[in-house]
Amino acid sequence: SQTIHQWPATLVQPVGSPLSLECTVEGTSNPNLYWYRQAAGRGLQLLFYSVGIGQISSEVPQNLSASRPQDRQFILSSKKLLLSDSGFYLCAWSGLGASGRNEQFFGPGTRLTVL
Amino acid sequence: GIQVEQSPPDLILQEGANSTLRCNFSDSVNNLQWFHQNPWGQLINLFYIPSGTKQNGRLSATTVATERYSLLYISSSQTTDSGVYFCAVVTGRRALTFGSGTRLQVQP
Repeated sequence: SQTIHQWPATLVQPVGSPLSLECTVEGTSNPNLYWYRQAAGRGLQLLFYSVGIGQISSEVPQNLSASRPQDRQFILSSKKLLLSDSGFYLCAWSGLGASGRNEQFFGPGTRLTVL
Repeated sequence: GIQVEQSPPDLILQEGANSTLRCNFSDSVNNLQWFHQNPWGQLINLFYIPSGTKQNGRLSATTVATERYSLLYISSSQTTDSGVYFCAVVTGRRALTFGSGTRLQVQP
């Protein structure tokens, strides 16, 4: 079965410091991968998605970037964090679910606090 | 872009009560999913339901695609049902657009 991992689970970083969040998927190949951010406990916003190695689409202009160096690895980065980057970051992959159709499945998330 | 609206925004129930959560969307969709976000933040897939009706235990969902809405029914609610329920739809880029969620609190 497929599983998705994210780390770290929680992170506290000072303003201006760099960021690297990692997401890996097991049990599937060539998945579509996504990064979402959730602020204030409501509503997820799509940040980036990737349909393959090195292929990244950005949805929202921001202080963040994403990379996909391997088929099942998706990384979210920043060179200098802002206070507004605080939030809950969720990685997702899409694949066949119990419905037999393409569904999205989410990792456990990383809670980032920028001080 | 497509708009997804959920109602009510907040709901408080006594254990054992039933509830209906609504999701309206502004355009045709290829995919609609319902999620439950537990208090630890984990998003749990409940239903993939672009049309029709499905049931899973005490939960069921109905989507009327022609009228652009979906309903999530929770029967005999339990305290473990507490959390935020999200409706999300897929647009052409195959990413999800989320509603703002319904925060459910089930009291013992």
